[in-house]
Amino acid sequence: KAGVTQTPRYLIKTRGQQVTLSCSPISGHRSVSWYQQTPGQGLQFLFEYFSETQRNKGNFPGRFSGRQFSNSRSEMNVSTLELGDSALYLCASSSTSASSYNEQFFGPGTRLTVL
Amino acid sequence: AQSVTQLDSQVPVFEEAPVELRCNYSSSVSVYLFWYVQYPNQGLQLLLKYLSGSTLVKGINGFEAEFNKSQTSFHLRKPSVHISDTAEYFCAVSARSGGSNYKLTFGKGTLLTVNP
Repeated sequence: KAGVTQTPRYLIKTRGQQVTLSCSPISGHRSVSWYQQTPGQGLQFLFEYFSETQRNKGNFPGRFSGRQFSNSRSEMNVSTLELGDSALYLCASSSTSASSYNEQFFGPGTRLTVL
Repeated sequence: AQSVTQLDSQVPVFEEAPVELRCNYSSSVSVYLFWYVQYPNQGLQLLLKYLSGSTLVKGINGFEAEFNKSQTSFHLRKPSVHISDTAEYFCAVSARSGGSNYKLTFGKGTLLTVNP
């Protein structure tokens, strides 16, 4: 089974621009979560999507948004980029069985640099 | 809400020495506990997890961790490290209840450097 894929792997943008990152989950996984990783703040939860619906959102401004398509692929968008948005953005997918625990599998991330 | 504290930001050790990476957590609800490893320019890989049962859990690459409920700790150990264990290690928790196990709260990470 192919793992979680994220595209692109690297991005360079300038302040004020917007960016869209893509995540393809493991086949059969319907839950996709996004995390931001920075040296200062560490790994922080952005949001999680299941069946095209955002189930929960972390403590990030409205400039950060996402969506999920019917094939479970997900995108996240950051508008009006700021220097502080430079980070590694990680996507994780999970199955959604009746079990109370479903392991999350992480992709390699997209490294975003804002100049 | 949950929080995770990794007590050491960096741990240098020599090859074949034992290592312990410390993790304490705080939560108002019952949690699952995890250790992840991140190699340079890669995503996170699950090392081991504690869901229930035996408090000593074994993971991949010879790592193990012990859940101590009274001390709210989940320290990671390996009896003999290799150069290839050099990486950043993250302790994480997620709530057991309410279907929220998808949301992981991470510690700030511990950079393990294994020297020859």
